[in-house]
Amino acid sequence: GEDVEQSLFLSVREGDSSVINCTYTDSSSTYLYWYKQEPGAGLQLLTYIFSNMDMKQDQRLTVLLNKKDKHLSLRIADTQTGDSAIYFCAEKGNNDMRFGAGTRLTVKP
Amino acid sequence: GAGVSQSPSNKVTEKGKDVELRCDPISGHTALYWYRQSLGQGLEFLIYFQGNSAPDKSGLPSDRFSAERTGGSVSTLTIQRTQQEDSAVYLCASSLEIGEQYFGPGTRLTVT
Repeated sequence: GEDVEQSLFLSVREGDSSVINCTYTDSSSTYLYWYKQEPGAGLQLLTYIFSNMDMKQDQRLTVLLNKKDKHLSLRIADTQTGDSAIYFCAEKGNNDMRFGAGTRLTVKP
Repeated sequence: GAGVSQSPSNKVTEKGKDVELRCDPISGHTALYWYRQSLGQGLEFLIYFQGNSAPDKSGLPSDRFSAERTGGSVSTLTIQRTQQEDSAVYLCASSLEIGEQYFGPGTRLTVT
């Protein structure tokens, strides 16, 4: 497809793991990103992965990349209420970044 | 250090009026981007500045939209004769050349 695609909503219970999935468009994209947007705020870079990597772990965050399927995922371990936000997947093009519509993560106590 | 700042944070304007949105990038960042985020939508690329090169305007939705970057730093996005469909959050980001982008908090524009 031509759009970066993400599911729009995800709801989990506090303490569970969250997995947010993304399908991107360009197999030659060199960097794939996850951004977090809290209510009323701008986007904050959460983590990124270079295209020659399959996995990147950063504390509670694990990014998995499947280049063959152009599939990117973000796993948040031990999800907390403070993780409630919109998570955007993005890929780096030549002069711009292509973003998905964002996945709204709701964490229930 | 200071991040990307944008002003105003909120702007309400009447249809047909012109508006100017301002972005102050992180000092030393040579690349500056403008995006638009409509309700429930992903980010839509508008325009990109890199150093002294001519800007990439390929994302501007109509000739009512224009942007400047003075002295390689502050940028203004101008929307002339605003329409209701221009209502959105306008996000600015900056980066060192082509790299991770750091976003400002955005300007929420409401056209009534």
